[in-house]
Amino acid sequence: GQQVMQIPQYQHVQEGEDFTTYCNSSTTLSNIQWYKQRPGGHPVFLIQLVKSGEVKKQKRLTFQFGEAKKNSSLHITATQTTDVGTYFCAARYFGNEKLTFGTGTRLTIIP
Amino acid sequence: DAGITQSPRHKVTETGTPVTLRCHQTENHRYMYWYRQDPGHGLRLIHYSYGVKDTDKGEVSDGYSVSRSKTEDFLLTLESATSSQTSVYFCAISRGNDETQYFGPGTRLLVL
Repeated sequence: GQQVMQIPQYQHVQEGEDFTTYCNSSTTLSNIQWYKQRPGGHPVFLIQLVKSGEVKKQKRLTFQFGEAKKNSSLHITATQTTDVGTYFCAARYFGNEKLTFGTGTRLTIIP
Repeated sequence: DAGITQSPRHKVTETGTPVTLRCHQTENHRYMYWYRQDPGHGLRLIHYSYGVKDTDKGEVSDGYSVSRSKTEDFLLTLESATSSQTSVYFCAISRGNDETQYFGPGTRLLVL
């Protein structure tokens, strides 16, 4: 079946450092979404990327969609303790409107 | 947060017993989904519904059945629970199948 690989699985950073998580697909994607799940919580939608090469920003978060629409990244600048959680990408393939979730990157912050 | 509730929030059961989880929404969204979340696997789709009495399988549907008799309720049934079905189960809703999904608070199920 279609799979989207997400790396790294875990990331520990000092508060104030940057953080990046990546999602890769072997097949061209229709679009990709990003979700955040706080510890003990439920996934919450962050953003959707649709266009090739698209870049969107939300405050300290920068989301990118690759030119070939096979990969995406989420970059957080100057992490804060409120950024703690697991970040998931969710890919949508052409001809299959269901979302395929990545395995997630768990971010922990060292104060 | 979207108006989504799940019940029960926690459940412990024994192998071989039937279990039904309920998802209730107040948003009148057409699409409803059941996912399970396990370490190292992310979220995997079990079943989804695109309208009353309209359901389809996801990638991990074996051992699960669903029903949707009303727009607001989507039930997930484990006919005979197994230890491999120990997981956190999330319900989600969306207006359209290509739109944002809103997740419920989750149900933690332990099958002994």
